Amino acid sequence: GENVEQHPSTLSVQEGDSAVIKCTYSDSASNYFPWYKQELGKRPQLIIDIRSNVGEKKDQRIAVTLNKTAKHFSLHITETQPEDSAVYFCAARYMDSNYQLIWGAGTKLIIKP
Amino acid sequence: SAVISQKPSRDICQRGTSLTIQCQVDSQVTMMFWYRQQPGQSLTLIATANQGSEATYESGFVIDKFPISRPNLTFSTLTVSNMSPEDSSIYLCSVVAGGSYEQYFGPGTRLTVT
Repeated sequence: GENVEQHPSTLSVQEGDSAVIKCTYSDSASNYFPWYKQELGKRPQLIIDIRSNVGEKKDQRIAVTLNKTAKHFSLHITETQPEDSAVYFCAARYMDSNYQLIWGAGTKLIIKP
Repeated sequence: SAVISQKPSRDICQRGTSLTIQCQVDSQVTMMFWYRQQPGQSLTLIATANQGSEATYESGFVIDKFPISRPNLTFSTLTVSNMSPEDSSIYLCSVVAGGSYEQYFGPGTRLTVT
């Protein structure tokens, strides 16, 4: 069945450096790829998303890139700050999934001061 | 984005009892979903709440254990029936508004079964 693999499971970076989280999806018919940030004890928050007709999207310090040929998409966070520490989840929506998302396992991002 | 509320925010329940979780949205939405999230884990979809008809359950989840109602386009309930300690988890509702792919989450209900 459809699945989304997310790597790494934990990422530790120095404050001010960049962080990259990568996800691979299995179904080439996927057309929507959101990223969520979940702080401890809070709900998942949509931080950026990309549709299959776009290769890259940027919003201030975060960006998402999509490679449809390789079936992978990545979250890039530049100039990391302590408040970026959280668990990040990627997801993919399949064409016939009725808005359902298939979720990655999550990446715990730790920003070291 | 829609404002989503859930009640209760947390509860501690005895095994064998049932708990109903409410999800209220401040505007009409196309889709409503119920998820479960174990500590340190990803999100697991329980079911899609369909307005005016039976919910669509994912593999491993059944209506007798997790009955769901959605009487209108802004409200849904999830009941966790005959609870056991394995049901201890965070339960989240999420919504998709019409014309959008974006999915937003409620604040969650933290359930502990003793």
